[in-house]
Amino acid sequence: QKEVEQNSGPLSVPEGAIASLNCTYSDRVSQSFFWYRQYSGKSPELIMSIYSNGDKEDGRFTAQLNKASQYVSLLIRDSQPSDSATYLCAVRGSYIPTFGRGTSLIVHP
Amino acid sequence: KAGVTQTPRYLIKTRGQQVTLSCSPISGHRSVSWYQQTPGQGLQFLFEYFSETQRNKGNFPGRFSGRQFSNSRSEMNVSTLELGDSALYLCASSLGQVGTGELFFGEGSRLTVL
Repeated sequence: QKEVEQNSGPLSVPEGAIASLNCTYSDRVSQSFFWYRQYSGKSPELIMSIYSNGDKEDGRFTAQLNKASQYVSLLIRDSQPSDSATYLCAVRGSYIPTFGRGTSLIVHP
Repeated sequence: KAGVTQTPRYLIKTRGQQVTLSCSPISGHRSVSWYQQTPGQGLQFLFEYFSETQRNKGNFPGRFSGRQFSNSRSEMNVSTLELGDSALYLCASSLGQVGTGELFFGEGSRLTVL
């Protein structure tokens, strides 16, 4: 059973702080890693994709991948109340994508 | 560019009935996948289609089926509905062949089974 684990939260951070979201996965052959943001009552929206070890930055978002540790993270710098959402980690190996259950992030003013 | 369109957005059915959900992918996207999202189980993969062929299937009973048409539009069908089928059903399209992974989701079809 391929699994993707995320802390369900909620993770509460003050506005302007760095939010750190973490994800571990069990399938060593996983090749592609994604972060999706889902606002309450809405569908998931792709934020970041990462395919190789290291960091990938896009604006206020940085994805970090460590395949040896089977660990992927998402950092959100200068967090804003509009970042309050559930963040889903998704992992894809040879076949189907597997999603974590998501971490709820709350950014308070 | 229009996004992924799912219809209907909301529907209520009773146990034993069947339902058909429709999905139109982003123009140019040839891969369509379907997911079930519930509070208890999260987002779970149902199946994935590319060029009218089912490429992958998740761990769901045979009551769940789907198909893709030559214009890449897709439908999924659930027969003999059960209370536990109440969920948000999400369709996603992607640009390349199966496996590229960057998914663009529709707004979903929320199914309630009474």
